[in-house]
Amino acid sequence: KNEVEQSPQNLTAQEGEFITINCSYSVGISALHWLQQHPGGGIVSLFMLSSGKKKHGRLIATINIQEKHSSLHITASHPRDSAVYICAPSGGSNYKLTFGKGTLLTVNP
Amino acid sequence: DAMVIQNPRYQVTQFGKPVTLSCSQTLNHNVMYWYQQKSSQAPKLLFHYYDKDFNNEADTPDNFQSRRPNTSFCFLDIRSPGLGDAAMYLCATSRDPAGGEQYFGPGTRLTVT
Repeated sequence: KNEVEQSPQNLTAQEGEFITINCSYSVGISALHWLQQHPGGGIVSLFMLSSGKKKHGRLIATINIQEKHSSLHITASHPRDSAVYICAPSGGSNYKLTFGKGTLLTVNP
Repeated sequence: DAMVIQNPRYQVTQFGKPVTLSCSQTLNHNVMYWYQQKSSQAPKLLFHYYDKDFNNEADTPDNFQSRRPNTSFCFLDIRSPGLGDAAMYLCATSRDPAGGEQYFGPGTRLTVT
């Protein structure tokens, strides 16, 4: 069983739609990262959170430590949001990031 | 302003010809990481420096070495690249290793011919 499960693996949306990507993990963590990677590109750190909720522009990330679950929401999605979104918990017994397989989001105009 | 800079963005090398990838940071972070990411796969941590302390992952091939001459710079040396080493190489930094937020560079895409 993978330590980090993301759903869905692929998501296609129309511009303007509200997007939710889910992440469940089984490892002990001190924080959880949400990362964005455009095809062929580098990685951008969107959020690091250890409790509650964070908001940055149209992006919102939430985490429930007890349930070992986090969500990334995108409001008013735009084609430029098309990318792979990766959930990566860290901490627990070590510092490493444990990467999910990513969710490929495609937002059509 | 760029905070984690990687040069070059694209590197082509020949089979067996040593190659060095460069990473620099303006964040004054203590920790610098090197990841390898192959197509459609998650990044794989190769090693990291905590200040001057080098920490190699157990499954990182001996072919991969790293140098950190000062806080700002870190280099990835591939002594004898094979075709299987073609990948995106990502550098990241964090203030401390205890689960701190990691800031990634744009990556260097390595092609081995």
